[in-house]
Amino acid sequence: EVQLVESGGGLVPPGGSLRLSCAASGFTVSSTTMSWVRQAPGKGLEWVSVIYRDDKTYTADSVKGRFSISRDNSKNTLYLQVNSLRPEDTAVYYCASGPWAARIDYWGQGTLVTVSS
Amino acid sequence: QSVLTQPPSASGTPGQRVTISCSGSSSNIGSNNANWYQQLPGTAPKLLIYSNSQRPSGVPDRFSGSKSGTSASLAISGLQSEDEADYYCAAWDDSLTVVVFGGGTKLTVL
Repeated sequence: EVQLVESGGGLVPPGGSLRLSCAASGFTVSSTTMSWVRQAPGKGLEWVSVIYRDDKTYTADSVKGRFSISRDNSKNTLYLQVNSLRPEDTAVYYCASGPWAARIDYWGQGTLVTVSS
Repeated sequence: QSVLTQPPSASGTPGQRVTISCSGSSSNIGSNNANWYQQLPGTAPKLLIYSNSQRPSGVPDRFSGSKSGTSASLAISGLQSEDEADYYCAAWDDSLTVVVFGGGTKLTVL
C-alpha cells in the first residue's frame, strides 16, 4: 500500500527556516515524480515544486530561491527545504506522487507550516 | 489570480447533472492534459480525472472529463450529497514550466 507521511511543519518566525520531510512506503521515491503542493488556510491548491526521476527539478516562481526540493533514495524520503519564510507561506504542505507533475495519484495528509512572530 | 479559470461555485440537486469548466491557454490545457481533483472538507485532495477523461480505478463513472481546445470540463451526473466538495483542475504549463491549478469550484448539493 502506498503511503506518504509528512513531518517537519510547525510555527516559525518570519525569516526562519524549516525542512519538511515526506517518508514514502509502498514504492520508491526515485522511481516516480514527486511533488510538493500547498494550501493556505481557506484557499485553493498551489503547486510548489517537483523532482523527476532524472533529478530534474522545477519550482514555482513564488518560492524560487527560497525553497528547494530534494530526495534521499536511501531513506526513501522526499524533502522540502524552506528558507526565508514569509507570513504568506503559511499553509498545509502536501507531499505528492504520480507519473507526472500535474497528475498526482497519491497525497500525504499534509503538514502545517505557520509563519508568524 | 489563477492561470486556470474555474467558476468559484456550482450547485445542483440530488440526481442532477452538473458541469464545472476550466479555462486555460495554449501553453497549458491547449498543449497538455487536464487533470481534476476532488477535495472533501478537511481532507487531502484526491485524483478524480487524469489525461482529460480517464478515471482512476475506484472513481465512479458518474464522473467524466473532457477537453476542447484550451478548456476542460468535469461533469458529475446523478449528483449525490457526498459529492459536495471543492474541485480543482490542473495542468502543466509549457511556458511557465510549472503546474498550474484552477482556483477551485465549491460544489454544493442542495
